[in-house]
Amino acid sequence: QVQLQESGPGLVKPSEALSLTCTVSGGSMSTYYWSWIRQSPGKGLEWIGYIYFSGYTNYNPSLRGRVTMSVDTSKNQFSLKLTSVTAADTAVYYCTRANPGPDYWGQGTLVTVSS
Amino acid sequence: EIVLTQSPGTLSLSPGERATLSCRASQSVNNNYLAWYQQRPGQAPRLLIYGASSRGTGIPDRFSGTGSGTDFALTISRLEPEDFAVYYCQQYGSSPQTFGQGTKVEVK
Repeated sequence: QVQLQESGPGLVKPSEALSLTCTVSGGSMSTYYWSWIRQSPGKGLEWIGYIYFSGYTNYNPSLRGRVTMSVDTSKNQFSLKLTSVTAADTAVYYCTRANPGPDYWGQGTLVTVSS
Repeated sequence: EIVLTQSPGTLSLSPGERATLSCRASQSVNNNYLAWYQQRPGQAPRLLIYGASSRGTGIPDRFSGTGSGTDFALTISRLEPEDFAVYYCQQYGSSPQTFGQGTKVEVK
């Protein structure tokens, strides 16, 4: 059974960068896409983007170049970095396996942007 | 980007009743790459249906998905107490992937 677990700071200051890591267990990262999705009360569920195990990425244009994803298959981890955050980036962030749509999800981690 | 519109916003039903949820896309969904998720309070979404009509792993057969192109539906044949939750559709055939705004199935 594939399991995913998000980790990272729960509080980020405005204008700084949000960084999260997702650790995958119970399966290989090879041949799959891995994605980040967030959920806020104001905007519902929003797809942030995905990264293939090889490193190929595809991001949501709505995030205007603020997103970077990376993968480290040797550690069974992939990561999200979102720069220049504002209060609008406050949300629960989920990491998922994309097969190609999200099938396995992490439990989610709340990130609050506040000074 | 493809906009998904779910209806109704809220569905009030009793256990044992049949629920039919709708998801309409602003343009055709490639390869019918349309998924349905269930979300209970405080939990992550759970995959129910992918490819418009295929059930996810371990999903009971009372959940079924139909549709193609721009019109899709999720049917729950007989509501169990644990089925009262919020349901989302998602298209993953075009980038950016997008979600509907959700339908809440509540106890009448």
